[in-house]
Formats: sequence, C-alpha cells, structure tokens
Amino acid sequence: GAVVSQHPSWVICKSGTSVKIECRSLDFQATTMFWYRQFPKQSLMLMATSNEGSKATYEQGVEKDKFLINHASLTLSTLTVTSAHPEDSSFYICSATGAGAGSQTQYFGPGTRLLVL
Amino acid sequence: RKEVEQDPGPFNVPEGATVAFNCTYSNSASQSFFWYRQDCRKEPKLLMSVYSSGNEDGRFTAQLNRASQYISLLIRDSKLSDSATYLCVVNKDNAGNMLTFGGGTRLMVKP
Repeated sequence: GAVVSQHPSWVICKSGTSVKIECRSLDFQATTMFWYRQFPKQSLMLMATSNEGSKATYEQGVEKDKFLINHASLTLSTLTVTSAHPEDSSFYICSATGAGAGSQTQYFGPGTRLLVL
Repeated sequence: RKEVEQDPGPFNVPEGATVAFNCTYSNSASQSFFWYRQDCRKEPKLLMSVYSSGNEDGRFTAQLNRASQYISLLIRDSKLSDSATYLCVVNKDNAGNMLTFGGGTRLMVKP
C-alpha cells in the first residue's frame, strides 16, 4: 500500500528558531501533498495544499511567510515553521495523493509533534 | 456553524455493545464522505468510505442521507481495540482535495 513518512516525529525547540518537517511518499509519486495541523482535542485543520513544482495554496488565516512549503519533487514536500513560537506547538500531519488509480485517497504520514518552549 | 459536526463524546460502552455515531455536514455540494479512525497521538487512518446506498465492512456499517446531510457509523459487537476517535470526513469534490474533518467522536470500549 501507499506509505507516507514524516521526519522528525518529535521536535522540541526554543522560541524564535525555525523548524523543518519533511514529508515523503515512499512507494508512489505524490502529485499533491497536504499539510494539516491538529491542536489537542481539536480536529485536523488543513493549512495548505501543494502541487509538485508550483507554489502552495494556503488556507485562510495561515501565514504563508511563516509556514514555508516546498514541494520540489514528486516524493518530497517540506514545511518550515519560521521563527516558531509556543502557540505554534501542535501536531503537524502531511498527506499525499498520487496519480492514477486511487488518486482520490489521501495517505497520511505519522505526524510530527512540535513543542516550542 | 462548523462544516462538519460530530458529538465529541466520549461514548463509554461495554465490550460486545452496539454503538452508533452521527455526523452532519453543512455543504450540500459535498461529493464524498468517509469515516477515519484516529488513535491517540497517531495519524488518522481511513476506516471506510460512505456510499449513498449504505455500505458494510464486517462489524462496521456506514450510511449517508444526502437530503438531511447526515452520515452515520454503526459498530456492532464492540471490541476493546475499537477504542479510538472516529472522524467524519467530507470531500467537496472527487479529486481527493479539500477534505474537511469533523472534530471526532471518542469511543471507549471497556471490558
């Protein structure tokens, strides 16, 4: 089946630092990748959608200059949280869809827990 | 009003019980519907798609009522391993984009 990995699984950092999270599709080409954020006891909220080779589309209220997304290849997308602050502490999850059969299904990565001190 | 609404629970049921979750969605143009399961501190995993005619997968039955914009999930013969949060998910189109997640319903199955 389709596998999506994320790295790192845990990040603890000081306020003001930047954190990069990687999302990889391991056995398929991900034409579209999605980045979600989930705060404790809340639902997943879509942050942005990215297509390989083009700029990401951000959801309303998500600062594109703070959450930098790069989808440089069909197997890798990165989310960089710039100048992270404690309120950015959350569970960040990526998902990916591929081309062809089953392309409607989003396959989720295992998530990255970010704690900003 | 939230786009996808669920009763957060928790639903505490004994092993072997039958439990039903409901979900309502606000966008009548929604095309696809799913139930996902999310375990604590894990990513959501697709449990089943929901079709207009209703569909069953083992102990799980999902139903969709487009007129009422209502989705349900029935779990029969609950197992301890069914304890999780169940997410109702709605897709505005058929291209795999724009998934909208409900807040989830937490189920706790007890011995």
